[in-house]
Amino acid sequence: EVQLVESGGALAQPGGSLRLSCAASGFTFSSYWMNWVRQAPGKGLEWVANINEDGSEKYYVESVKGRFTIARDNAKNSVDLQMNSLRGEDTAVYYCARGTTGVPGADYWGQGNLVTVSS
Amino acid sequence: QTVVTQEPSLTVSPGGTVTLTCTSSTGEVTSGYFPNWFQQKPGQAPRALIYATSKKHSWTPARFSGSLLGDKAALTLSGVQPEDEAEYYCLVFYGGVPIFGGGTKLTVL
Repeated sequence: EVQLVESGGALAQPGGSLRLSCAASGFTFSSYWMNWVRQAPGKGLEWVANINEDGSEKYYVESVKGRFTIARDNAKNSVDLQMNSLRGEDTAVYYCARGTTGVPGADYWGQGNLVTVSS
Repeated sequence: QTVVTQEPSLTVSPGGTVTLTCTSSTGEVTSGYFPNWFQQKPGQAPRALIYATSKKHSWTPARFSGSLLGDKAALTLSGVQPEDEAEYYCLVFYGGVPIFGGGTKLTVL
């Protein structure tokens, strides 16, 4: 059974940092792209970042470039999102999602982890 | 910047058929943009339904189907069930960049 479990969400101050982690199980982690998607309270979904199978390609939504970093550890079956210089507009539930095999997409999703940025 | 637009809300009767659409501010949505569709119920994570325009995941109920209608991507629900009441999001890939639509709130009434 494919499982994605996020952790690390919390309350952070503006300008602060947080690191989200996503632990994967039930599939060959190193064979899949991985994504982070967020959802602000009462709003729609927004793709944040993704990373290819070996970590050599990383892409970000414009609003987080230079502040967020996605990374993966295929030995530990995990993908992280390091979030620096946090802003109020980064407040959201952050989801980890597995890329769909062979075509762009996101098939399995974690349960989500709330990040709140407030003073 | 590309904006992907969906109907904000739709209402359908149980057993009926409804089509949700996904349009782009930059023009036609084609198969080359690999439209995906997701269902999200309150308090839950999104659930993938359709990828690559019309392909279903193993768990996708048969009553859901994806297609292209004119210059839009479309999700059709046939024989709607009460449990289909949810928010539905499309996702398209422009130049490899994933962009979600704003979502359609589907009410079954």
